[in-house]
Amino acid sequence: AQSVTQPDIHITVSEGASLELRCNYSYGATPYLFWYVQSPGQGLQLLLKYFSGDTLVQGIKGFEAEFKRSQSSFNLRKPSVHWSDAAEYFCAVGEGAAGNKLTFGGGTRVLVKP
Amino acid sequence: DAGITQSPRHKVTETGTPVTLRCHQTENHRYMYWYRQDPGHGLRLIHYSYGVKDTDKGEVSDGYSVSRSKTEDFLLTLESATSSQTSVYFCAIRGLTGRGTGELFFGEGSRLTVL
Repeated sequence: AQSVTQPDIHITVSEGASLELRCNYSYGATPYLFWYVQSPGQGLQLLLKYFSGDTLVQGIKGFEAEFKRSQSSFNLRKPSVHWSDAAEYFCAVGEGAAGNKLTFGGGTRVLVKP
Repeated sequence: DAGITQSPRHKVTETGTPVTLRCHQTENHRYMYWYRQDPGHGLRLIHYSYGVKDTDKGEVSDGYSVSRSKTEDFLLTLESATSSQTSVYFCAIRGLTGRGTGELFFGEGSRLTVL
C-alpha cells in the first residue's frame, strides 16, 4: 500500500525567507504526486502536480516542487514567503488508473512571522 | 469554483443516531470521494465512487456506507454515529485534464460532532 510522510508537523518561517516542505512517499510504480494547501476553515486547493516529464514542477502562488525518484521525495519550495502563505500543506500520492485514489500525508502547518 | 456543495456544513448529533452527509456536484464528473480530516492524520479516504451505483472502500470505511443513485449526488451515511466519527468530512470530485491526471477538487467540508 502506498504511504506519504511529511516529517515536519509545524514550520515557522519569517516573511521574505525561503520555505521548503518535505514529503516522502512509498509507492511501487511511477507515482502521481500532488501538493495541496488548506487555509483555516477552507477546503483544499491544488498547488501543483507531477505525473511524468520534467522533475521540477511549477505551481501556483510561486511554489515549485522537485521529484527525486532515488530519494522517493517530492519536496515543496518557495523562494520568498508572504504572510498569506500561512496555512497547512498536504502532500499526496495517487494510485490506480491515472492516480484516481489519493493518499495524503499528515500535513505541515506553516506559520509566517512578520 | 469547482461546483461542489456539501450539506449540512455543521452538525451536532448524539451517539447512536444515524447521520447522512450529502455531496452535490454540478460538473458531471464520474469520480467522487469522501475523506475525513483529523489532526495529525491528514485526509483519509472513506469511500469513493467511480460511477452511478459503483462504489469502493477506502482505508477507513468501517462504520460508513455510501450511495450514489445519480451522477451529481454522493451520500455518506453513518448508520449509528460514534464519538470516534467526530471529524471534518470533505467531499471531492476528480477533474479530468487532457491527460486524466486525477486532480481532485474539494468541497468546503462538513463538521460533524458526535456527543
